[in-house]
Amino acid sequence: AQSVSQHNHHVILSEAASLELGCNYSYGGTVNLFWYVQYPGQHLQLLLKYFSGDPLVKGIKGFEAEFIKSKFSFNLRKPSVQWSDTAEYFCAVNAPNSGYALNFGKGTSLLVTP
Amino acid sequence: DGGITQSPKYLFRKEGQNVTLSCEQNLNHDAMYWYRQDPGQGLRLIYYSQIVNDFQKGDIAEGYSVSREKKESFPLTVTSAQKNPTAFYLCATYYNPNYGYTFGSGTRLTVV
Repeated sequence: AQSVSQHNHHVILSEAASLELGCNYSYGGTVNLFWYVQYPGQHLQLLLKYFSGDPLVKGIKGFEAEFIKSKFSFNLRKPSVQWSDTAEYFCAVNAPNSGYALNFGKGTSLLVTP
Repeated sequence: DGGITQSPKYLFRKEGQNVTLSCEQNLNHDAMYWYRQDPGQGLRLIYYSQIVNDFQKGDIAEGYSVSREKKESFPLTVTSAQKNPTAFYLCATYYNPNYGYTFGSGTRLTVV
């Protein structure tokens, strides 16, 4: 079955610490990969996406992600987190053979402490 | 402005009653999706529709039904057969890879 796994359910970091959130997927064929963020009480917001080309993708707010095809991974990184990065982060995959429906991981809750 | 309207924002129903959640879009997007969000579960796909008069079950379709009679509208009915209907429900549309997905603001359903 197709699935998306996020390894860390809860992460607590101090401001200025580096962040890496893991995401692995199990899909055959062509996929597109996404990271979304949901700030407390707000809508889902797209951080970045990968369709093809350079496997290192840069997104908004200083986030980046690296697609490693051989590992079926799409990990999210940020060199230095801020208190305002406190949010829930979702990795997602879509595929043409499933109507481009997004398949989400269970999410990682990030708390950044001052 | 184009977007997705989900109404109402909060909905309360008694156990055993069917309830229909509205999702209307004026983006002219063909594909529409319904997701359910629960704490610690992420977003799970309930149903999706790629064109009018056609829809497909997602991962957790049991206890739900949909219709797609118009391009603009994709209502979701939570039936009494859904064992745990209390959740946050999100509607989304998709246009193409460059445009991506648009999400509604969601409906929080509480069944008592």
